[in-house]
Amino acid sequence: GNSVTQMEGPVTLSEEAFLTINCTYTATGYPSLFWYVQYPGEGLQLLLKATKADDKGSNKGFEATYRKETTSFHLEKGSVQVSDSAVYFCALSDRTGGSYIPTFGRGTSLIVHP
Amino acid sequence: NAGVTQTPKFRVLKTGQSMTLLCAQDMNHEYMYWYRQDPGMGLRLIHYSVGEGTTAKGEVPDGYNVSRLKKQNFLLGLESAAPSQTSVYFCASSYGLAGTNEQFFGPGTRLTVL
Repeated sequence: GNSVTQMEGPVTLSEEAFLTINCTYTATGYPSLFWYVQYPGEGLQLLLKATKADDKGSNKGFEATYRKETTSFHLEKGSVQVSDSAVYFCALSDRTGGSYIPTFGRGTSLIVHP
Repeated sequence: NAGVTQTPKFRVLKTGQSMTLLCAQDMNHEYMYWYRQDPGMGLRLIHYSVGEGTTAKGEVPDGYNVSRLKKQNFLLGLESAAPSQTSVYFCASSYGLAGTNEQFFGPGTRLTVL
């Protein structure tokens, strides 16, 4: 079956530091890949996505590249801000096998200090 | 557009009581989902629906029932609440096979069972 593995948190950084959150996946077909963000007290919202190999999704300074050869979709940001403190979820959606239901990682908490 | 809305936002129940959580979406999405989120557990899928009149079990369906009588609404029922069902519940919707299946989430319902 499909699965998503994220690095465990919390990840604690100082403002303006470089961020990487690792995400690897297994899938039976050719999935679409997503990063969602959850700010405190809110629901998840889509941060970025990629639908085919070597695609780069980007939004709000965050980037992730769909690496089929390493089955990875690592999230990066060059300079984090306090307002980026949130929980980040990696997810995939795979059309093959008859089920298109998304699979989520367990989430990585990011804490950014001033 | 309101997106995905959930009713109520907060609820406190006593063990054995019943309740229904309502999810509504105005994006004409085919797929709808109910998740629960507990500390350290990430998101866990309870039930989902791939179209009006259809429902299916997710990862943790026991103790819950659902109905999708109208395309825009997805109801989650607890027939006899237990303290183990204390959680934050999120509804989500997506286009399903018509798109990349990115999900749109509601703001959540915080349920406490005493």
